[in-house]
Amino acid sequence: DTAVSQTPKYLVTQMGNDKSIKCEQNLGHDTMYWYKQDSKKFLKIMFSYNNKELIINETVPNRFSPKSPDKAHLNLHINSLELGDSAVYFCASSQTTGLVSREQFFGPGTRLTVL
Amino acid sequence: GDSVTQMEGPVTLSEEAFLTINCTYTATGYPSLFWYVQYPGEGLQLLLKATKADDKGSNKGFEATYRKETTSFHLEKGSVQVSDSAVYFCALSDRNDYKLSFGAGTTVTVRA
Repeated sequence: DTAVSQTPKYLVTQMGNDKSIKCEQNLGHDTMYWYKQDSKKFLKIMFSYNNKELIINETVPNRFSPKSPDKAHLNLHINSLELGDSAVYFCASSQTTGLVSREQFFGPGTRLTVL
Repeated sequence: GDSVTQMEGPVTLSEEAFLTINCTYTATGYPSLFWYVQYPGEGLQLLLKATKADDKGSNKGFEATYRKETTSFHLEKGSVQVSDSAVYFCALSDRNDYKLSFGAGTTVTVRA
């Protein structure tokens, strides 16, 4: 069974379009994350939700809007896509209450290409 | 704030060579430390972890020891294989923070 899944795996779109990426985890974790990985493999945290509450909101353009309908899902909507948004987006989850180590489990990634 | 510095790549090795990737960290609290691996075209997988000083994490022949005195968590493997070709990320998690702080990643290529 897939622990953290994302759809779609690939997304190719034109500048100015609006797109969404969906993420689901079946690990029963209470916290979910979105990361952006650039072409040099650098990982940057974008958002995090704990029990559906936004707890991390890094310096990200407000064209990016996360939504967490429940603890198992965290979606990412991007408005007015720009060339610089091209990257791989990773969803992750972790259990942050009651554990010391808080390791995160990652989805397979969504490669977004903006033309 | 918390940060992780790892050696820059790329690193190219022959099969059965010894691999070391250096990682040092800065943290105000008592972090947990991790190594993640990203194989080509895939997401990140947890390779090993250590939650307190002197802990040794190990998995798939890789090892790393949490050294508080040198604030380091170097990754080692005694004999690499072609299948170990990947990007390796060192990361830390502070107990008071939800975030993982990642290093820049080290690309390792193992040649037959």
